[in-house]
Amino acid sequence: DAGVIQSPRHEVTEMGQEVTLRCKPISGHNSLFWYRQTMMRGLELLIYFNNNVPIDDSGMPEDRFSAKMPNASFSTLKIQPSEPRDSAVYFCASSPGQDTQYFGPGTRLTVL
Amino acid sequence: DAKTTQPTSMDCAEGRAANLPCNHSTISGNEYVYWYRQIHSQGPQYIIHGLKNNETNEMASLIITEDRKSSTLILPHATLRDTAVYYCIVRVAHNAGNMLTFGGGTRLMVKP
Repeated sequence: DAGVIQSPRHEVTEMGQEVTLRCKPISGHNSLFWYRQTMMRGLELLIYFNNNVPIDDSGMPEDRFSAKMPNASFSTLKIQPSEPRDSAVYFCASSPGQDTQYFGPGTRLTVL
Repeated sequence: DAKTTQPTSMDCAEGRAANLPCNHSTISGNEYVYWYRQIHSQGPQYIIHGLKNNETNEMASLIITEDRKSSTLILPHATLRDTAVYYCIVRVAHNAGNMLTFGGGTRLMVKP
């Protein structure tokens, strides 16, 4: 089992550019979560999907952020336009729907 | 979900038991206690969870007080690789999304 796969692992971009983060959940898991981690705010849930449907996006900071899950094996988190304050580590996690969430290695985003 | 209180940091000698406390005095009857940890530069990792009975797995033991207002995570023989931030989370387990709300956690330093 490869676990949750995230790409890229590191992303450096300039303010105003579009950023797309990708996640492949563990096969068979029906819930997917996007989190953001910063020193100031810790780990925050941005959005989660159940059976590919967004259930709660109340954690998405603003309209510049969008997330999609076109199928059970792929999700994207897009930031457009990016800003320096978006710099953080973004984690994707998946769950079989009961108890445990399995986290990916994260994408470290730096917006200059 | 109920709020949790954990010490900011703790030290433990290698090979000794690490006992990490967590207060959750406002826990409800249907809320579980979950523990995750985050090793530096990695995604959070599930450790253990319980409702009211003590639990043990290959990683740790979870001791929940009879009134359920506090709990202790025990790493029986801490190693240097157990150095991490440990998060105690209280939440209702349900099928349609298992949102986790991470607090500040306890930074455990295992020393030689």
